[in-house]
Amino acid sequence: QVQLQQWGAGLLRPSETLSLTCAVYGGSFRDYNWNWVRQPPGKGLEWIGNIDRSGSNNYNPSLKGRVTISEDTSKNQFSFRLSSVTAADTAVYYCARGGSRYGYEAFDIWGRGTVVTVAS
Amino acid sequence: QPALTQPPSASGTPGQTVTISCSGSISNIARNTVNWYQRFPGTAPKLLIYSTNQRPSGVPDRFSGSKSGTSASLAISGLQSDDEADFYCSAWDDNLNRLLFGGGTKLTVV
Repeated sequence: QVQLQQWGAGLLRPSETLSLTCAVYGGSFRDYNWNWVRQPPGKGLEWIGNIDRSGSNNYNPSLKGRVTISEDTSKNQFSFRLSSVTAADTAVYYCARGGSRYGYEAFDIWGRGTVVTVAS
Repeated sequence: QPALTQPPSASGTPGQTVTISCSGSISNIARNTVNWYQRFPGTAPKLLIYSTNQRPSGVPDRFSGSKSGTSASLAISGLQSDDEADFYCSAWDDNLNRLLFGGGTKLTVV
């Protein structure tokens, strides 16, 4: 059974860089695209971006310039960095798998989420 | 922040059928497939409907999806108390070149 385990710092100060990592256990890494999604308090879900099976990135244009998603195929891990964070980046961050038989942008496996708070 | 539009809340009694709407535009729902997620408090979303009207294995056939034009719908028949959750729609937007989610609908079974 495929599982995603994510980790990273949960408390940041404004202007710092948010860094999260998601490890894939129990399944193939190369056959899927790997996504990050966040949910600010009281708001809906927001797609951040992904790294696809060819290693190419797609980012939410509203975050482009601040976000980087990379992979380490030797460890079956992918990572997310968001620079120059502000209070508006306070959210629960999820990693998620896409590109299964359910479709490129259908996310069938999710991490448990990491609460990230940006405060001075 | 662009998003698909969902009613913030919906409710029904056990056994009823409830429908949750998701409104978008030509560049997203009209042109692309819609996915639906169910999320219980404190947990990650679960894929409920994919490709507008398909159910992943393990999802009961009480859940069904459809779309017409720029709107999509999730119908839940034979409502049960443990269906209480938040529901989110999503669709790719060709103009914005990003995946959009709805703001979520909190379903209450009264």
